[in-house]
Amino acid sequence: ETGVTQSPTHLIKTRGQQVTLRCSSQSGHNTVSWYQQALGQGPQFIFQYYREEENGRGNFPPRFSGLQFPNYSSELNVNALELDDSALYLCASSQDSNEQFFGPGTRLTVL
Amino acid sequence: GQNIDQPTEMTATEGAIVQINCTYQTSGFNGLFWYQQHAGEAPTFLSYNVLDGLEEKGRFSSFLSRSKGYSYLLLKELQMKDSASYLCAANDYKLSFGAGTTVTVRA
Repeated sequence: ETGVTQSPTHLIKTRGQQVTLRCSSQSGHNTVSWYQQALGQGPQFIFQYYREEENGRGNFPPRFSGLQFPNYSSELNVNALELDDSALYLCASSQDSNEQFFGPGTRLTVL
Repeated sequence: GQNIDQPTEMTATEGAIVQINCTYQTSGFNGLFWYQQHAGEAPTFLSYNVLDGLEEKGRFSSFLSRSKGYSYLLLKELQMKDSASYLCAANDYKLSFGAGTTVTVRA
C-alpha cells in the first residue's frame, strides 16, 4: 500500500508569484484535504476534494484554488503569493472523509 | 464556528505520565482525533474516538466525552522520543485542529 506523497518537499518563491503543490493520495482513497500550518500553529483547513469536486472550503481567499484528478491525486494552486503564505502545506487522503492520512508536507517560503 | 482548546506546553520526566486535555466547540462533530507531530514533520495518527469512553493503545490512551465537549490523551511511561507536539482535531468531514501541545520529556 503506497502512502500519501507530496511534491516538492521545499519551495522558495517571491511575493506575487504563483505556486502549484502536488499530492498523490493513498491507494484506495477518494478524498483529499489540504491544510496550511504556520509555524507554532495547528493545521488550518483550506479545502477538500471528493471524487474531483470541491467538498467544502475553509476561510481562505479565492487565490487558493485546487483540483482533483480522476486518479484522485490533487493540486493546490496559490496565486499572488504573500509573505504570510509561508507555511507547511499538508495534504491528507481518506476514504469518504474517514481517518485522514497525512503526507510529509511541502515547506513553502515566500520572500 | 470551530473552537478547539488545548494547553500550549507541558513538561514531564522520563517514565512519568502526562495528560493532555482538549475541549472543543464545533458546529458538527463525528469524532475526535489525536495526532503526534515532531518538529518539521507531518502529523502522525495516534487515536480516534467516536463514542464516549476510553480507548487504550499501548502506552497511549484517549478519552472522549461528547456531552462535555472534552477529550484527553494520556501518555504513560514517557520516553525521550515522546517529546513532540500533540494535536487534537475535531472531525466534521474536515479536521479542525487545536494549536497543539508541546510536550517536553526530561531525563
